[in-house]
Amino acid sequence: AQKITQTQPGMFVQEKEAVTLDCTYDTSDPSYGLFWYKQPSSGEMIFLIYQGSYDQQNATEGRYSLNFQKARKSANLVISASQLGDSAMYFCAMREANYGGSQGNLIFGKGTKLSVKP
Amino acid sequence: GAVVSQHPSWVICKSGTSVKIECRSLDFQATTMFWYRQFPKQSLMLMATSNEGSKATYEQGVEKDKFLINHASLTLSTLTVTSAHPEDSSFYICSARASGRMGTQYFGPGTRLTVL
Repeated sequence: AQKITQTQPGMFVQEKEAVTLDCTYDTSDPSYGLFWYKQPSSGEMIFLIYQGSYDQQNATEGRYSLNFQKARKSANLVISASQLGDSAMYFCAMREANYGGSQGNLIFGKGTKLSVKP
Repeated sequence: GAVVSQHPSWVICKSGTSVKIECRSLDFQATTMFWYRQFPKQSLMLMATSNEGSKATYEQGVEKDKFLINHASLTLSTLTVTSAHPEDSSFYICSARASGRMGTQYFGPGTRLTVL
C-alpha cells in the first residue's frame, strides 16, 4: 500500500484564487511528520511547510497552510492568492519517527502539477 | 531556510567514465545526508542515506559499487557514479538534515547527468 497518496496529477487555478492540493497518508507510527515541497521547472526541491503528528494547530507559512485532519489521515496544502510563480510540481512527504527505514527518510507522494492561469 | 549546494549543476560525460557530485550544507551541520534520483515526471527515489563518518546505507536495488557515497564531514557528502552508462542519465538530488529525527530535510538544486 502507498504510504503517501496524491490523487491529483494536475491542477489548474486562476491567478489570485486559492487552491487545495490533496494528500493522504498511511502509517501506524504515532509519531510522524508531514512535509510539503515545491519543485519548479529548475528542479530544486523547496521546503514549504511542516506539520508534526502531535501539533494541535494547523501549520501556516505565509500563503501556505496545511489542513491537517489526523483522523482522516489527510494533510492537504492550501495556497491562498495564487501567483504565476506558484506553477510547479508539489510533493507531499512523510517521515515516521519510529518505523521509518533508513533512519527515518522521507517518503514522497507522486506529486501534483499545479498550473496558475493569468 | 537552510541552504544546501550541489556541484556541478549539470554534467555530460562519455560512457565508461566516472562522475563525482558534491553536496554541501552551507549554514548548518548535517549529520545525515540523502541521495535521490529522479526520472522525468516522476517522484524522487531514495538511493542511499549517509551519516558522517560511517558507511552509507543503500536502498534495495541500488548498486553500492556503482554509486559510491562518501560523507567525510558534517557539511560535505559526495556521490560518485562509477563507469557511467547511458541508463545512469538522470537528475540526482542531495538532501541534508540536521540532528533530530523530525528535522526538516533541505535539498540541493540537483545535478543533471547525461551519459553519452
